[in-house]
Amino acid sequence: EAAVTQSPRNKVAVTGGKVTLSCNQTNNHNNMYWYRQDTGHGLRLIHYSYGAGSTEKGDIPDGYKASRPSQENFSLILELATPSQTSVYFCASGDVLEGDTLYFGAGTRLSVL
Amino acid sequence: TQTVSQSDAHVTVFEGDSVELRCNYSYGGSIYLSWYIQHHGRGLQFLLKYYSGNPVVQGVNGFEAEFSKSDSSFHLRKASVHWSDSAVYFCAVSQNTGYQNFYFGKGTSLTVIP
Repeated sequence: EAAVTQSPRNKVAVTGGKVTLSCNQTNNHNNMYWYRQDTGHGLRLIHYSYGAGSTEKGDIPDGYKASRPSQENFSLILELATPSQTSVYFCASGDVLEGDTLYFGAGTRLSVL
Repeated sequence: TQTVSQSDAHVTVFEGDSVELRCNYSYGGSIYLSWYIQHHGRGLQFLLKYYSGNPVVQGVNGFEAEFSKSDSSFHLRKASVHWSDSAVYFCAVSQNTGYQNFYFGKGTSLTVIP
């Protein structure tokens, strides 16, 4: 079965520190996505990627970078973490050839103190 | 810009009851409509989607949804809920613009009392 795996599942970081969230997919999908989920906002798109080597800005990219070194892996990087980035982060993969269906990881709960 | 509105933040029913979770949207162009379910502490899982054809689509675990162009709606229904259906349900609108451009509603939390 298709799988999207995120690590770590939980992370506590200090303000100003660097945080890297990792995502691996075994779906062989071209597209990968990073969302954050906050109460009252639902899911918001941070960055996405069309394939290895590509990253694109989503709706709320400020304060985040992304890296797609391979088809399988997509990372979200917070160079200088702030308390406002405390949230639950979800990675997803999908392929337009499969229609509009996204496959999500289990999420990473990030607390920035 | 697409918008998705889920009018009920919380819905509580008893096991065996029927339920309808409401979703209204605005869009420009050709879109997919879909529903996802999120159990506590988990990621979102696909339930069902509509693109064209029969306006009533069937999903997993007895869920179905009906598209209405006149009402701009895509409501999710289940005839008889089980306690394990307790979760947050997200309606989404998407377009294939090279990448899958999803807009999610804020979710409806369904609680099923055994």
